[in-house]
Amino acid sequence: KAGVTQTPRYLIKTRGQQVTLSCSPISGHRSVSWYQQTPGQGLQFLFEYFSETQRNKGNFPGRFSGRQFSNSRSEMNVSTLELGDSALYLCASSLGGGGATTGELFFGEGSRLTVL
Amino acid sequence: SQQGEEDPQALSIQEGENATMNCSYKTSINNLQWYRQNSGRGLVHLILIRSNEREKHSGRLRVTLDTSKKSSSLLITASRAADTASYFCATAPTGGFKTIFGAGTRLFVKA
Repeated sequence: KAGVTQTPRYLIKTRGQQVTLSCSPISGHRSVSWYQQTPGQGLQFLFEYFSETQRNKGNFPGRFSGRQFSNSRSEMNVSTLELGDSALYLCASSLGGGGATTGELFFGEGSRLTVL
Repeated sequence: SQQGEEDPQALSIQEGENATMNCSYKTSINNLQWYRQNSGRGLVHLILIRSNEREKHSGRLRVTLDTSKKSSSLLITASRAADTASYFCATAPTGGFKTIFGAGTRLFVKA
């Protein structure tokens, strides 16, 4: 079974640009979560999607957005990039479900974004 | 703000020794999980303990959970150089569709 795939793995952007990151979850997983990891702030929760619906959102500005498609693939977008957006962006998938509990997360290798 | 806080922030031990990491959290939870991350890579799930469990084992890993103290510990026995990594506790607060990670403990195992 293929794991979680994130693309691109590395990218460099300049301030003011926008970026779109992609995540393909494990087959059969319907929940996708996104995290931002930086040395100073650690792993910060961005949002979680299940069956194309955003169920929860972290404390990030509106420049950070995401969506999920009917095949469970997810994208996140960051507009008007700032230097502080430089980070490792991690996607994780799980079986999800209708309840509020969350189980084991399966992570991709991440997309490392550098903003110059 | 982060839900979990790990202690210590960094730990250096010799191969063969045991490593203990602690985690404290703030709100009621459905479960608590531990993950490992090798430098710059994705996280790998190690073990999940539910809120009604007190102890769980998996290979060389032993996890305890004390919901009255809102704390957990991860014990790695007979550590190996390959255990060198960052270890994170993660909690799933009740009523939420998210998993919150602590700041992590950096473990260095010297051969």
